[in-house]
Amino acid sequence: DVQLQESGPGLVKPSQSLSLTCTVTGYSITSDYAWNWIRQFPGNKLEWMGYISYSGSTSYNPSLKSRISITRDTSKNQFFLQLNSVTTEDTATYYCARNYYGSSYMWFAYWGQGTLVTVSA
Amino acid sequence: NIVLTQSPASLAVSLGQRATISCRASESVDSYGNSFMHWYQQKPGQPPKLLIYLASNLESGVPARFSGSGSRTDFTLTIDPVEADDAATYYCQQNNEDPLYTFGGGTKLEIK
Repeated sequence: DVQLQESGPGLVKPSQSLSLTCTVTGYSITSDYAWNWIRQFPGNKLEWMGYISYSGSTSYNPSLKSRISITRDTSKNQFFLQLNSVTTEDTATYYCARNYYGSSYMWFAYWGQGTLVTVSA
Repeated sequence: NIVLTQSPASLAVSLGQRATISCRASESVDSYGNSFMHWYQQKPGQPPKLLIYLASNLESGVPARFSGSGSRTDFTLTIDPVEADDAATYYCQQNNEDPLYTFGGGTKLEIK
């Protein structure tokens, strides 16, 4: 069964870049599906951030488009999130997730456990 | 972007009774004969878990006590009968607007 696991620094300074890795086991990220980043703010609001598809194409939340980049390393079956110029408002639990089917059925059947990132000086 | 408003924000239901959670969209989430509305359950310290997709389809492994209904802008998640393990926060999510998939604010369910 597919499993996803987030990793990365738990503390980032304001104005710096946030970088996270999602390691996928049990399925190749180049075979199918869209591989997403979703975050949950303190207070529990959920926000979809973007995805990289199995073909390498990307799609981003317009509210983040100037600051976000999602890339991948197919040899390690990993995909990555980079969020630039972070502020305290980017403090959240970050999840990686796989969509339900193909690259169009954008609801989320598989999730990592999440990683808390705090933005603070 | 499509705003999803859930109500109530919290509710307490007695064991064995019915829980009903509402999600209202600021515009229709229906396209091509489908309602692109989905429901998740989240317990503390865990990621959301998919319960219902396309408004009324039960995800594999989810108990039949959970059901979803609705169309266009008004959707409902029903749990009947409620069990102790159902204590959680429930979220709706739409993907009719591409590429801006949004979630509702959540409804916290307490079991009495």
